[in-house]
Amino acid sequence: GQNIDQPTEMTATEGAIVQINCTYQTSGFNGLFWYQQHAGEAPTFLSYNVLDGLEEKGRFSSFLSRSKGYSYLLLKELQMKDSASYLCAVRDSNYQLIWGAGTKLIIKP
Amino acid sequence: DTAVSQTPKYLVTQMGNDKSIKCEQNLGHDTMYWYKQDSKKFLKIMFSYNNKELIINETVPNRFSPKSPDKAHLNLHINSLELGDSAVYFCASSQEGRATDTQYFGPGTRLTVL
Repeated sequence: GQNIDQPTEMTATEGAIVQINCTYQTSGFNGLFWYQQHAGEAPTFLSYNVLDGLEEKGRFSSFLSRSKGYSYLLLKELQMKDSASYLCAVRDSNYQLIWGAGTKLIIKP
Repeated sequence: DTAVSQTPKYLVTQMGNDKSIKCEQNLGHDTMYWYKQDSKKFLKIMFSYNNKELIINETVPNRFSPKSPDKAHLNLHINSLELGDSAVYFCASSQEGRATDTQYFGPGTRLTVL
């Protein structure tokens, strides 16, 4: 079967750095996405990785290792508005997105 | 301007009723999707549709059916609603063929079946 694993919840302090991990087992691989979803709102696109390595975009970076079936999202200089759920999704060989359950990130002052 | 819009935002109805949720995208995308997000926050794909192909998740009951009057619209019809259908339903769209194929989501429709 296909599986995406993420921690259910994480807590971090404003101004700090947090890393949210995602491991996956899918039928094929055609890219990995990270989405942010604030409570009661729609998911919004954050990042996309298809090759191994780090993609940096402002305060957010995403890393991928295809051989390990592993990715992480790194958030720096955390702000209160970063409190949200972060969803990892992998596009499989059929180009369907397989979604993780998301990691709820709580930011404390 | 809203890229992907859905109506209604909230829908409360009785078991056994038939209801529809509308979705429109003004991004010119080729592909549209319907997702169900349950209380555990899993996003489950229900359908993906473009002008060539409808892909149905085999776990979706046939009480659910997508209707696409044109490329910019994909409506969701639900017959004989059940308590377990209560969830948030998201419509999304993407441009097929682009490398990133980012999906843009609508604001969601919170369906409550009583």
